[in-house]
Amino acid sequence: DVKVTQSSRYLVKRTGEKVFLECVQDMDHENMFWYRQDPGLGLRLIYFSYDVKMKEKGDIPEGYSVSREKKERFSLILESASTNQTSMYLCASSSRTESSYNSPLHFGNGTRLTVT
Amino acid sequence: AQSVTQPDIHITVSEGASLELRCNYSYGATPYLFWYVQSPGQGLQLLLKYFSGDTLVQGIKGFEAEFKRSQSSFNLRKPSVHWSDAAEYFCAVGVYSGGGADGLTFGKGTHLIIQP
Repeated sequence: DVKVTQSSRYLVKRTGEKVFLECVQDMDHENMFWYRQDPGLGLRLIYFSYDVKMKEKGDIPEGYSVSREKKERFSLILESASTNQTSMYLCASSSRTESSYNSPLHFGNGTRLTVT
Repeated sequence: AQSVTQPDIHITVSEGASLELRCNYSYGATPYLFWYVQSPGQGLQLLLKYFSGDTLVQGIKGFEAEFKRSQSSFNLRKPSVHWSDAAEYFCAVGVYSGGGADGLTFGKGTHLIIQP
């Protein structure tokens, strides 16, 4: 089974702090994604990566950056956390060797971030 | 750009009753369609997917979904729900852009409540 592990289940940070959310997958997947989930808004794509050192903006990249130095690890960075970034953050990965680039996403359990 | 609409924010069903969750998508070509389930405090788990072929697809946990091109719909069904089916359900659409992994676009979710 694919395992996507997010290093923290809960985080509490102060406004202005630099925040790192870490995600590791163990299935050698090429694609990795960061979503945020908010009540009534569903999941919105922040950034994704389809290869090491590659990154693409999703629908809501403002205030975020990402890093992918190794294939298995994809980090989401909040350069200066703000209260409107309080949310549930979900990491996901998928394979490019399946018949479609849109192979199913495999999700981690999420990191609930609170910015005070 | 593609979009997904889940018209029902909340649905309440009695245990043992049948279930249908609605999903409508907007996209100019044949999309790749998915249903995910999220139990409280968990990440998203894939229930089923449709790429092509038979328009009625079977998934895990006794769920099925039917793709209807004429209605741009991909509704999720289960003949008899169990209390453990109480969760948030997300419909998602993916497209192949040829440039790599673009991730999925999710609906806002339907919260399923099971009455004893």
